Amino acid sequence: GIQVEQSPPDLILQEGANSTLRCNFSDSVNNLQWFHQNPWGQLINLFYIPSGTKQNGRLSATTVATERYSLLYISSSQTTDSGVYFCAVGEAGGYNKLIFGAGTRLAVHP
Amino acid sequence: GAGVSQSPRYKVAKRGQDVALRCDPISGHVSLFWYQQALGQGPEFLTYFQNEAQLDKSGLPSDRFFAERPEGSVSTLKIQRTQQEDSAVYLCASSLTSGPYSGANVLTFGAGSRLTVL
Repeated sequence: GIQVEQSPPDLILQEGANSTLRCNFSDSVNNLQWFHQNPWGQLINLFYIPSGTKQNGRLSATTVATERYSLLYISSSQTTDSGVYFCAVGEAGGYNKLIFGAGTRLAVHP
Repeated sequence: GAGVSQSPRYKVAKRGQDVALRCDPISGHVSLFWYQQALGQGPEFLTYFQNEAQLDKSGLPSDRFFAERPEGSVSTLKIQRTQQEDSAVYLCASSLTSGPYSGANVLTFGAGSRLTVL
């Protein structure tokens, strides 16, 4: 099955810093979503982005499907951005079953 | 409802007991997924329903795991004869449709049911 690799596994930032999280996947996808899991365990969808670029406030994401990677940018980080960021992909030709990466654990300190 | 509701939020079971976890998806959502998340790991797919039909159960780890969605809305994940390795958070998610290349594929997750098997 499709493999999803996220990097870095851990990231520590000072409040106000910018960061880039990467997601590589091993096969063609028809679905890619970024999620944030807060310290209480709730998974929140950030972007549905199988291709192209989207922005939402301080967050933006870019997926280059032909090169099989996606990037999540966090600008001017805040302590509330802390948590785990997951990339999840759906294989081309399938339904929207998502395969998750292992996540990037982000800690933002004041 | 406004979101995906899961119950119970926390369940402690003695090894060998049966447990049932409930998921109430967003009203009208066709697709429903169950995932298992072990501590420090990403969610792992268990099973998928399109309305009342269970179309994929390839992720269920053993025949002790059973899921149903008889009327195409509420779903129940049942684990028989629980083992310590079943301890995890069980997440339910729903989406409006199942077709590709559609923003209606966005998954909305519930808060999860944390199962601890002693």
